[in-house]
Amino acid sequence: AQSVTQLGSHVSVSEGALVLLRCNYSSSVPPYLFWYVQYPNQGLQLLLKYTSAATLVKGINGFEAEFKKSETSFHLTKPSAHMSDAAEYFCAVSPSGSARQLTFGSGTQLTVLP
Amino acid sequence: EAGVAQSPRYKIIEKRQSVAFWCNPISGHATLYWYQQILGQGPKLLIQFQNNGVVDDSQLPKDRFSAERLKGVDSTLKIQPAKLEDSAVYLCASSSFLAARGDEQFFGPGTRLTVL
Repeated sequence: AQSVTQLGSHVSVSEGALVLLRCNYSSSVPPYLFWYVQYPNQGLQLLLKYTSAATLVKGINGFEAEFKKSETSFHLTKPSAHMSDAAEYFCAVSPSGSARQLTFGSGTQLTVLP
Repeated sequence: EAGVAQSPRYKIIEKRQSVAFWCNPISGHATLYWYQQILGQGPKLLIQFQNNGVVDDSQLPKDRFSAERLKGVDSTLKIQPAKLEDSAVYLCASSSFLAARGDEQFFGPGTRLTVL
């Protein structure tokens, strides 16, 4: 069985401040981990993915995430928030070697304050 | 490259009525997924197709939900009869079977269903 827990359903940051969105996973097998972003009335877009290569993963729009096995975490960060980053972010897990069956967290709504 | 297309974008129905959603995946993508996203929650997989065969439908409420993917391209998801708790956004996604493990699922814009 696998699951993800996203800590904080709402996060607010000032423009230019650090963005940190938390994700902890539970998986009985080595996982693949993903971060998706969803803008209002749009589908999900992949930000980045971890597939057992480098533990620090760089994605689009300046986001990155670090896989920490000891902490079972895959937190998403961005050094400087931009107004356009305001959206909902979902962490997802898939068992490696699976047919890409994703289990999503409940999401974190990011608000960027001017 | 055209993305995943879904229609309609919005649908409002009365409970006990029937409704159908349509999805056209990215050309050449063999794998197609339907997700249900209830407000305030992450998407939940309902059914996964590989070409026109079902890979996983363990979370599909089969007493009222049905899905098909004839000819391994377009897919339809039907609810009959609808319940209030079916109000959600229904997302369709597709991926390339031939891609490496952990490949990306591409999502459509979704259909927002409201059941009154």
